[in-house]
Amino acid sequence: DAGVTQSPTHLIKTRGQQVTLRCSPKSGHDTVSWYQQALGQGPQFIFQYYEEEERQRGNFPDRFSGHQFPNYSSELNVNALLLGDSALYLCASSWDRDTIYFGEGSWLTVV
Amino acid sequence: GESVGLHLPTLSVQEGDNSIINCAYSNSASDYFIWYKQESGKGPQFIIDIRSNMDKRQGQRVTVLLNKTVKHLSLQIAATQPGDSAVYFCAEIVDGGATNKLIFGTGTLLAVQP
Repeated sequence: DAGVTQSPTHLIKTRGQQVTLRCSPKSGHDTVSWYQQALGQGPQFIFQYYEEEERQRGNFPDRFSGHQFPNYSSELNVNALLLGDSALYLCASSWDRDTIYFGEGSWLTVV
Repeated sequence: GESVGLHLPTLSVQEGDNSIINCAYSNSASDYFIWYKQESGKGPQFIIDIRSNMDKRQGQRVTVLLNKTVKHLSLQIAATQPGDSAVYFCAEIVDGGATNKLIFGTGTLLAVQP
């Protein structure tokens, strides 16, 4: 049984560009959340998707958007990238309020 | 505002000793707590969780204690091994919401000396 899978694992983008990160939840999980983790800090909640809708959003600008597909997989899109967007982006999945599992993350470097 | 903080940013222990990592939370409405282990370059790995109707829960070599009176959480690791070296985060979920948004602390680095 595969856990939470994310792609790509590493990527480098130029300031002003756009990026799309992808996540496949653990089998049986229907809820996907995205977190941003800056170096040396704890993960910060970006938003959560359930039944293909954004259910809650953290304190992130509209440049951050997402989508959930009927198979529960999800994408995180970031537009107009800034240097400060460089971070590890984590996807977490769960079913109801059961145990929350994380993927290995996507390392984004903005230059 | 909401916060989950850790008392000790770095903890150094000898292999075989027991480790205790502490965490303070500020939101009395929090009803679910999780400890995660994060190794360098990897995502957070679930260790153990506890709900607010419990004060203790045990896993394999790990025990989580919850003291709601003083809003304190601790993770005890028995017979610490070099493979336990990592950053440990406590995270909380606030009851009343329709989501399971996690609020993380800044983490404690556990360094196990051979």
